[in-house]
Amino acid sequence: GAGVSQSPSNKVTEKGKDVELRCDPISGHTALYWYRQSLGQGLEFLIYFQGNSAPDKSGLPSDRFSAERTGGSVSTLTIQRTQQEDSAVYLCASSLRGEYWDYEQYFGPGTRLTVT
Amino acid sequence: KNEVEQSPQNLTAQEGEFITINCSYSVGISALHWLQQHPGGGIVSLFMLSSGKKKHGRLIATINIQEKHSSLHITASHPRDSAVYICAVRNRDDKIIFGKGTRLHILP
Repeated sequence: GAGVSQSPSNKVTEKGKDVELRCDPISGHTALYWYRQSLGQGLEFLIYFQGNSAPDKSGLPSDRFSAERTGGSVSTLTIQRTQQEDSAVYLCASSLRGEYWDYEQYFGPGTRLTVT
Repeated sequence: KNEVEQSPQNLTAQEGEFITINCSYSVGISALHWLQQHPGGGIVSLFMLSSGKKKHGRLIATINIQEKHSSLHITASHPRDSAVYICAVRNRDDKIIFGKGTRLHILP
């Protein structure tokens, strides 16, 4: 079946604008994860959903970042008042089981966000 | 000092060589993942380990919980194995910590 999809694949936005990034997990996968990878930097965990619930939001870099998941499927990551340091590739992954991070994850292709 | 350290940072080898990438961590963990990131950026999950050893094709991953160390081995390496290999752990506080990755280049 289809893998994890993310949209848009690329997004260029002006500093101060809001952006919304979308993740469609593999059908039936209960767990969903958001990560980001800044240019030349390592991966950074942002948030995890078990179903529609995010037990721990402390990985989000600031209160300008929020995420939600509806219907146990699609998730959106919203960044308000974007800053240049938000420029990164935002990656989504899903896994079949919901036990936090203890199962194989399937990654989407990522959304490359550039804030000018 | 990073809580997750990988070595080497970069590795170039000839096709066919046996490759070992190491990951050491300083925190108690409940799970460790090995990920592969190809030059185009796509990430593939290779292994999830909480103990022992796992094998998939030419890839073998081991973990020693007491020594806080994991290794990823590639047998009969091939140029298509060229990628960045990333170790990541989930610590006891449920935080996910990534290593900085090992860039592997296999020469034909």
